[in-house]
Amino acid sequence: GEDVEQSLFLSVREGDSSVINCTYTDSSSTYLYWYKQEPGAGLQLLTYIFSNMDMKQDQRLTVLLNKKDKHLSLRIADTQTGDSAIYFCAESTPGNQFYFGTGTSLTVIP
Amino acid sequence: DTGVSQDPRHKITKRGQNVTFRCDPISEHNRLYWYRQTLGQGPEFLTYFQNEAQLEKSRLLSDRFSAERPKGSFSTLEIQRTEQGDSAMYLCASSLGQRGSEQYFGPGTRLTVT
Repeated sequence: GEDVEQSLFLSVREGDSSVINCTYTDSSSTYLYWYKQEPGAGLQLLTYIFSNMDMKQDQRLTVLLNKKDKHLSLRIADTQTGDSAIYFCAESTPGNQFYFGTGTSLTVIP
Repeated sequence: DTGVSQDPRHKITKRGQNVTFRCDPISEHNRLYWYRQTLGQGPEFLTYFQNEAQLEKSRLLSDRFSAERPKGSFSTLEIQRTEQGDSAMYLCASSLGQRGSEQYFGPGTRLTVT
């Protein structure tokens, strides 16, 4: 249950919505997370969702979880140039191990 | 500054040498995690501590790697007989230890083995 996969690149125009997708394999995952990493900076937690929820909204961010398909998505509304970064999804197991995806590099075109 | 700190930020060493990294977590956090991140990849879990107890170790953590957290505060990660494949960014994170609690990441130690 350690495979977390993401597409590598996404480009969107400023003001459009971005959708970043993630699939995972461990059905025992307890929490699923989205992190943001800007160049030269550490990882910053954006949001997380408990595995028995199917949606969570936090300002411009919407997380959707399809537990049956083990699919997680992050939607960023009204994407801004400051949103350009690498986005990682991650899962935590009941044993508190964390597994991260390879990251999706989001480029916002002005 | 009350964030997670790591020292050193950069380390260059020759193959075969031993290196030790330090992580100082946020003071009230009882969980501490070590990860390794290589270029173009996400962080790979190595190990974590609940206070001074090392509770989980990834199979990525070979016998050459050892981590300690003797007093439940700072932690050290030692790599013995370094190999070129050990070159990576080593990240430390800490959390309060409650379910779903946020991990706060340090800036990382970049290791280059020549």
